Amino acid sequence: AQRVTQPEKLLSVFKGAPVELKCNYSYSGSPELFWYVQYSRQRLQLLLRHISRESIKGFTADLNKGETSFHLKKPFAQEEDSAMYYCALWSGANSKLTFGKGITLSVRP
Amino acid sequence: AAGVIQSPRHLIKEKRETATLKCYPIPRHDTVYWYQQGPGQDPQFLISFYEKMQSDKGSIPDRFSAQQFSDYHSELNMSSLELGDSALYFCASSPRGHWQQYFGPGTRLTVT
Repeated sequence: AQRVTQPEKLLSVFKGAPVELKCNYSYSGSPELFWYVQYSRQRLQLLLRHISRESIKGFTADLNKGETSFHLKKPFAQEEDSAMYYCALWSGANSKLTFGKGITLSVRP
Repeated sequence: AAGVIQSPRHLIKEKRETATLKCYPIPRHDTVYWYQQGPGQDPQFLISFYEKMQSDKGSIPDRFSAQQFSDYHSELNMSSLELGDSALYFCASSPRGHWQQYFGPGTRLTVT
């Protein structure tokens, strides 16, 4: 069975502070992991995919298979980063996307 | 570029009524997924379709049914509505087996 755990529900930081949103997963195969973001009143949209290893809007995420983690990081948070962030795991075997419970990031001025 | 379209955007129903939610995928996407997101909850996978056939089933109640039509749009039918069915219902689409799902804006269902 696949499972995604986001241990925190809310992270509140001041603008310019570093951000780390935690994600741990459980999956028997080779995982494909993503971060999705949902801004206020907008649809879910893909932020990052672990395979691409790119930085989007200053965010990066590294897959650590030893710790089964895929934490999302940004060195200097901006107010426009305030949103709901979901970590998700894709199973190619059944084309299923499993989401974590999500975390609300609030960046204060 | 065209995105996933869902209608209606908002729906208010009373207990024991029925509701039909519609999803129009991105052109040339043949796979559709339905998710339910309760207040303060993560999206929960309900059901998916590929080429008009159900391809996978999640935590969808027996009171709910869904289908995909020849133009690839999908409808989620919900009967005997309960207060607990109040949620945001997302639809997503993708090309077959592709990892990236594109999400619609959701339909907010309120059951009173």
